[in-house]
Amino acid sequence: DAGITQSPRHKVTETGTPVTLRCHQTENHRYMYWYRQDPGHGLRLIHYSYGVKDTDKGEVSDGYSVSRSKTEDFLLTLESATSSQTSVYFCAISESDPVGYTFGSGTRLTVV
Amino acid sequence: GENVEQHPSTLSVQEGDSAVIKCTYSDSASNYFPWYKQELGKGPQLIIDIRSNVGEKKDQRIAVTLNKTAKHFSLHITETQPEDSAVYFCAARSSGSARQLTFGSGTQLTVLP
Repeated sequence: DAGITQSPRHKVTETGTPVTLRCHQTENHRYMYWYRQDPGHGLRLIHYSYGVKDTDKGEVSDGYSVSRSKTEDFLLTLESATSSQTSVYFCAISESDPVGYTFGSGTRLTVV
Repeated sequence: GENVEQHPSTLSVQEGDSAVIKCTYSDSASNYFPWYKQELGKGPQLIIDIRSNVGEKKDQRIAVTLNKTAKHFSLHITETQPEDSAVYFCAARSSGSARQLTFGSGTQLTVLP
């Protein structure tokens, strides 16, 4: 997806280990979001950012933390991964209101 | 917060027929309603959106309608083609300062040749 890159694309990790997912954008958009996608639940918001060092929680934030030290990077950290965090994680960006998001290609995370 | 319900969860149509996906939302202050198409292994992509001051919007074979009184909006795809097969998500923009969207649970559309 133009202007937004997620890394890694796939990751397998063990229960109890910390994991960091990265979202990088080249669009200079102000807003960045982390969603998780699970069957039957659609896309659920984990955390979002409305500027450098300005972040807030979404509806499923427990067990996750985020950081945004630069406009272009938004990091999602699982402090101690659990099997319930096995999911596909999507980053999204938006410039201003009211426009839809641009999504990254996703990170498939498996916690074993 | 906002709650968005989407129906049906799966939809199969014959090529050339029309497909309709419906969503309802709970926050009467929501004012922006996009639709996304997600192909296998990819991120969702915006296909059409509508704002609360508009009742209908069309883009070629795709149209979206909004009924603010009933708090529901629908996606209409006419003359469906096999490449329309994908998962479709509706969303509503929550009120508040953050530009966050609340998504429906998705509809798997299959267009049968």
